[in-house]
Amino acid sequence: QVQLVESGGGVVQPGRSLGLSCAASGFSFSNYAMHWVRQAPGKGLEWVALISYDGNTIYYADSVRGRFTISRDNSRNTLFLQMSSLRADDTAVYYCAKDVRSVAGTGGFPYWGQGTLVTVSS
Amino acid sequence: SYVLTQPPSVSVAPGKTASISCGGSSIGSKSVHWYQQKPGQAPVLVIYYDSDRPSGVPERFSGSNSENTATLTISRVEAGDEADYYCQVWDGGSAHWVFGGGTKLTVL
Repeated sequence: QVQLVESGGGVVQPGRSLGLSCAASGFSFSNYAMHWVRQAPGKGLEWVALISYDGNTIYYADSVRGRFTISRDNSRNTLFLQMSSLRADDTAVYYCAKDVRSVAGTGGFPYWGQGTLVTVSS
Repeated sequence: SYVLTQPPSVSVAPGKTASISCGGSSIGSKSVHWYQQKPGQAPVLVIYYDSDRPSGVPERFSGSNSENTATLTISRVEAGDEADYYCQVWDGGSAHWVFGGGTKLTVL
């Protein structure tokens, strides 16, 4: 069965960096686009970034562009999110999610990890 | 940027029908997906491509999409349906995925 397991969350000071990982199993990771989605405490879902199956197409939400970097290692079935210049409003649970397609498109996200909490605080 | 508007809350008695709207400019021309999220859990896809149900989702869940409003309908509501519901679309113009603000469904 499809499994997505995020790791790397924690408490980080404003302005610092943090990296998240998402280990995927149960499907052909290299065939699917992947996403990061976040949810601030008590708030709604916010899409963060998308990477195509081969890593050649990447899109970011305006709120993180230039600060966050999404990447993937298909040989290790792992998705990454490198976050820099972190701000208090980046505090959220970060989920990785599997797309139904290999590239950006109109399909939904049928599988999600359980999330990892990132807290930006001094 | 594209905006999806949902009512913050909807209340319904058990056994009745709940309708949750998702408004957006010409949303009828886009594919809409719906997620259910219970407290402390990850979102679960309950409707995709406007009206299709993933395997395991009860037939009580249905969706429609036309003109400027998409709707998630839950028939014969049960206490276990109490959750937050989010609509989602792909905005090709900005190359962004967009979520609605979410609707808290309360079962009275």
